[in-house]
Amino acid sequence: GEDVEQSLFLSVREGDSSVINCTYTDSSSTYLYWYKQEPGAGLQLLTYIFSNMDMKQDQRLTVLLNKKDKHLSLRIADTQTGDSAIYFCADLGHGSSNTGKLIFGQGTTLQVKP
Amino acid sequence: GAGVSQSPRYKVTKRGQDVALRCDPISGHVSLYWYRQALGQGPEFLTYFNYEAQQDKSGLPNDRFSAERPEGSISTLTIQRTEQRDSAMYRCASSRGTGVETQYFGPGTRLLVL
Repeated sequence: GEDVEQSLFLSVREGDSSVINCTYTDSSSTYLYWYKQEPGAGLQLLTYIFSNMDMKQDQRLTVLLNKKDKHLSLRIADTQTGDSAIYFCADLGHGSSNTGKLIFGQGTTLQVKP
Repeated sequence: GAGVSQSPRYKVTKRGQDVALRCDPISGHVSLYWYRQALGQGPEFLTYFNYEAQQDKSGLPNDRFSAERPEGSISTLTIQRTEQRDSAMYRCASSRGTGVETQYFGPGTRLLVL
């Protein structure tokens, strides 16, 4: 079945840029998503990218998609302590585009040091 | 309501007992999803409803797990004869439409089976 992989941990200093990486196996992926999880809270959708795009920018967030290598990244500019959280990459495959079944990675914990 | 709500937030039960977890989606959302999230992992799809119809239950691990959404709004996930391996965070999400529509997640129910 489809799989999504992420590195587990990233530590940056406040004000630096953070880059969180994700790889996926589904060659028929339609949308790819980034979710943020803070302690005690639900998953919050940060941004998403359609599979025929290679870049999307939304304020401090930049998503890059390399469809050939099945690689997705999330860049957070000017990282703040409030960005400390777990970030999940998720894939909506073509076969799931009618049902919305998301395949999630295991999450990357971002630690922002003051 | 303002967001997806789930109850209870925490549930401790003894092995062999049945549990029922409730999800109240955002008003008017036609699609409802259940996911299970083990510690240190990403959410894993369990089942999907479109209105009251359960259209995908491919992620339910075995026949001890069942879900219903009889009136197309509130949903209940039931686990019969709980086992310790059922301990996890159970997350519910809803979306306005099907497929690629944004899924809004609730805070989850933390289930601990002793």
